[in-house]
Amino acid sequence: QVQLQESGPGLVEPSGTLSLTCAVSGGSISSNHWWTWVRQSPGQGLEWIGEIFHSGDSEHNPSLKSRLTMSIDESKNQFSLTLTSVIAADTAVYYCARQASLGPFMDVWGQGTTVIVSS
Amino acid sequence: DTQMTQSPSSVSASVGDRVTITCRASQTLGTWLAWYQQKPGKAPKLLIYAASRLQSGVSSRFSGTGSGTDFTLTISSLQPEDFATYFCQQANTFPRTFGPGTKVDLK
Repeated sequence: QVQLQESGPGLVEPSGTLSLTCAVSGGSISSNHWWTWVRQSPGQGLEWIGEIFHSGDSEHNPSLKSRLTMSIDESKNQFSLTLTSVIAADTAVYYCARQASLGPFMDVWGQGTTVIVSS
Repeated sequence: DTQMTQSPSSVSASVGDRVTITCRASQTLGTWLAWYQQKPGKAPKLLIYAASRLQSGVSSRFSGTGSGTDFTLTISSLQPEDFATYFCQQANTFPRTFGPGTKVDLK
């Protein structure tokens, strides 16, 4: 079955750039699914960051849009997130997820990776 | 943005109890709503999609109803593994938004 695995630095300095990658295994990133990023701040709820299709089409959360870039690498079967000018409020567990073919519901999730913004 | 609210924010229940969680959207969603279960330190798990459709592999004691702006998740007979936090998520508009969560704990 499809599995997702996030990777990236656990610590980023304020005003720096956060870069995360989600590796997809057990299935093709070029399949008919959108690929999503969600984050969860400590003790808080879930925030949708954005989603991307293998064509490169994407949707971003307007609250992050000016700082956010998402990309997809079909050759490596992975997709990525880059967030610039990070602040303490960007400290969170970042999840990648697959949207179901039946609609924009996230049916497969990575285990999550913790990112702390601190000097 | 579509604002999502949930009630209650927490509920204490016993094994075997029937538990109902409500989710309300600030604008109509049709049936573009999902429910997720999250346990501490784990990723969310999809339970219900399209308001009432049970995700494959999920126990039939979970059910979802509703359309428009008001939705409910019901656990018919609470089991020990069901103690967790439950989130609703709207999938009708961008940005996708989640409810604040309902924590189900042991009475």
